[in-house]
Amino acid sequence: KAGVTQTPRYLIKTRGQQVTLSCSPISGHRSVSWYQQTPGQGLQFLFEYFSETQRNKGNFPGRFSGRQFSNSRSEMNVSTLELGDSALYLCASRPGQGADEQYFGPGTRLTVT
Amino acid sequence: QKEVEQNSGPLSVPEGAIASLNCTYSDRGSQSFFWYRQYSGKSPELIMFIYSNGDKEDGRFTAQLNKASQYVSLLIRDSQPSDSATYLCAVKVGAAGNKLTFGGGTRVLVKP
Repeated sequence: KAGVTQTPRYLIKTRGQQVTLSCSPISGHRSVSWYQQTPGQGLQFLFEYFSETQRNKGNFPGRFSGRQFSNSRSEMNVSTLELGDSALYLCASRPGQGADEQYFGPGTRLTVT
Repeated sequence: QKEVEQNSGPLSVPEGAIASLNCTYSDRGSQSFFWYRQYSGKSPELIMFIYSNGDKEDGRFTAQLNKASQYVSLLIRDSQPSDSATYLCAVKVGAAGNKLTFGGGTRVLVKP
């Protein structure tokens, strides 16, 4: 099975702009979670989607949003970018009910200048 | 107190020796426990998961869970230079949803 894929892999944006990141889960996986990884804060949970519904949300401002499509693909959007949003954004998928193991994609490295 | 704590290391281990990594967590409602390996510049890779008290072995890796003492550990037997990486402990709290809370990671250096 192909793993989790994320696009784009690298992105450079300017403060104030917005960005959309995409994630395709492992085939058959219905749950997608997003995480932010920075050297200072480590890996932090952003949100989780299951069957197109947001099930959990982390402690991030409303500028961070996401959605999931009927084919389980997910996107996350960050509006009004700040320098502190520079990070590795990771998407993880899991099969769904009864299976807690999450498998990460390669990540999108976002740099805000 | 952080929800999931790990010693940041580095943990220096001679090749062929056993590397022992520890992780403590604060929420007694934690149900599922995971170990991820992350190479520099790469994304985390799931190497072990454990849900019940006791030991779970997979190849050279053994995960140990003690819910009463609120710790989970990872043993790497016959350590190889390729095991040099940061190991992240992650915990899922509760039954609903699947939010993982991560520790800061332990950097492991295996010296030939």
